[in-house]
Amino acid sequence: AQSVTQPDIHITVSEGASLELRCNYSYGATPYLFWYVQSPGQGLQLLLKYFSGDTLVQGIKGFEAEFKRSQSSFNLRKPSVHWSDAAEYFCAVGRGGTASKLTFGTGTRLQVTL
Amino acid sequence: SAVISQKPSRDICQRGTSLTIQCQVDSQVTMMFWYRQQPGQSLTLIATANQGSEATYESGFVIDKFPISRPNLTFSTLTVSNMSPEDSSIYLCGVESGTDTQYFGPGTRLTVL
Repeated sequence: AQSVTQPDIHITVSEGASLELRCNYSYGATPYLFWYVQSPGQGLQLLLKYFSGDTLVQGIKGFEAEFKRSQSSFNLRKPSVHWSDAAEYFCAVGRGGTASKLTFGTGTRLQVTL
Repeated sequence: SAVISQKPSRDICQRGTSLTIQCQVDSQVTMMFWYRQQPGQSLTLIATANQGSEATYESGFVIDKFPISRPNLTFSTLTVSNMSPEDSSIYLCGVESGTDTQYFGPGTRLTVL
């Protein structure tokens, strides 16, 4: 069965600083991987996804993520964080090599200091 | 992307009662999913709502507690039955679009007293 690990429960960065959120997955084949963001009181918004092709994927709001098969990782990055990026970030993997039946990591809460 | 709405957005219910949550999509989708997000936790898949057949439940979730309907390709309901305070959660509807992406509704925040 697939699983997702987000090692960092809580991260604090200064506005304008770079950001990297870690995600490690366990899946036998090429996974369907996603990053979602959940702002307080809001639903989940898709930031980006990967399931084939270029291992560096660009998403919305200036985010990018790099798929590294050798490390079973799909880390999310942003070169310069804005105060509005403060939210909960979830990494997810799709079951059976699809976007169905997602398994989510435990999430990383991002705090941005001014 | 699919536009998904859920009703109600939030509710406060008494122990032992049931609540039905609705999920409406603006386009026809094959697969709809129901997730639970307990306070401070991640999302856990409850079941897959299949049109024309019974829902498929994940381990730890049963039909008697979470009956699901899927009458057509744009609508589904999840009922939380015989509620207890442990059922206090956010319940989210997800749909898989034709672009290998799952989108989510805004969620229903349920508090059980």
